[in-house]
Amino acid sequence: GEDVEQSLFLSVREGDSSVINCTYTDSSSTYLYWYKQEPGAGLQLLTYIFSNMDMKQDQRLTVLLNKKDKHLSLRIADTQTGDSAIYFCAESKGSQGNLIFGKGTKLSVKP
Amino acid sequence: DSGVTQTPKHLITATGQRVTLRCSPRSGDLSVYWYQQSLDQGLQFLIQYYNGEERAKGNILERFSAQQFPDLHSELNLSSLELGDSALYFCASSPSGRFQYFGPGTRLTVT
Repeated sequence: GEDVEQSLFLSVREGDSSVINCTYTDSSSTYLYWYKQEPGAGLQLLTYIFSNMDMKQDQRLTVLLNKKDKHLSLRIADTQTGDSAIYFCAESKGSQGNLIFGKGTKLSVKP
Repeated sequence: DSGVTQTPKHLITATGQRVTLRCSPRSGDLSVYWYQQSLDQGLQFLIQYYNGEERAKGNILERFSAQQFPDLHSELNLSSLELGDSALYFCASSPSGRFQYFGPGTRLTVT
């Protein structure tokens, strides 16, 4: 199958780290992405990782890729209330880069 | 602001009608992608155009069609609308297929 799977909800306290997990099925995916969607808004490209990398860090964001298990995670350090949103994992498909999205993880940050 | 614009922001119409959604890509981006976001199906790729030509098709219904014009803007036409077509429709643009930048979306409500 071509499903990208994510847990639907995550709740954390402000200042804690958040870890959002994703599994994908297509081992030929070249790039894997994390997008953020705030209420009433479009999708914002947060970060990405190339399939030959294991880890990518970008300020408070760390992406880990385990190709053997087809597992991707996004860690947000020092989570803030402004990080509350839905986070989508996506893999690129085919030579044209069409994206296959997970259902999204709703992150709630409690003060 | 991603630089991708979509109009209209909201659209309410009746079953059986036809609507046109418009997308203007980021300056210089040749690729335009259309996605549908609904509660039951999540985010699904519909169709991609590159410099005026159709490049890839996803889960797009026969009642839906799209085109990309010489000025690179794109239109998604939805006809014989059904209640189940109510969704958010996103356009994304890309210079290379590697990174897609999403517009704010058009929310379609079919009554």
